[in-house]
Amino acid sequence: DTGVSQDPRHKITKRGQNVTFRCDPISEHNRLYWYRQTLGQGPEFLTYFQNEAQLEKSRLLSDRFSAERPKGSFSTLEIQRTEQGDSAMYLCASSPVLTGNEQYFGPGTRLTVT
Amino acid sequence: AQSVTQLDSQVPVFEEAPVELRCNYSSSVSVYLFWYVQYPNQGLQLLLKYLSGSTLVKGINGFEAEFNKSQTSFHLRKPSVHISDTAEYFCAVSLMNRDDKIIFGKGTRLHILP
Repeated sequence: DTGVSQDPRHKITKRGQNVTFRCDPISEHNRLYWYRQTLGQGPEFLTYFQNEAQLEKSRLLSDRFSAERPKGSFSTLEIQRTEQGDSAMYLCASSPVLTGNEQYFGPGTRLTVT
Repeated sequence: AQSVTQLDSQVPVFEEAPVELRCNYSSSVSVYLFWYVQYPNQGLQLLLKYLSGSTLVKGINGFEAEFNKSQTSFHLRKPSVHISDTAEYFCAVSLMNRDDKIIFGKGTRLHILP
């Protein structure tokens, strides 16, 4: 079991640029979640997938954000026209079915928008 | 809607002393309860969870928590802390039997004093 992996671990971008993050869940997990964590706060839910289907999106996920999980395995989170307020840690988690919602987190991608 | 309140943003404690990190939650329906730990520059790791049954839950690294329904609390305790316990601790809830988003508190930073 290699755990949840995220790439890149750090990303620095200029305001207005697009960025894309990747998450590889634990292989047998069919649920995948994205959270955002800003300094001094707990993680906040963004969206989640069950297999390929995106089942819920938070109001935090503006039109500039899009997430996909095309084959029910890895997922990508894209932010278009980045703003300084997008600077945060983006966390991915996965869980198997019927486990009492035990989610396993990756190390996160730290985004800095300059 | 569910919410989580962690009553202390920082808790300093001497090494080998006991510690309690306080957590209260609000929900009109039954929830699962979690404590996660986040070491510097890392993702979140599950310490323990309460799904049902015994109200005293034991987790990893010598931590335990007690679910108190009447007080809507889920305080985390450890009888003797070590320097390696220095981290941010997050209390969290999710709806029972839903396996969707987890709602986190703002976190408590545990400082271990030598």
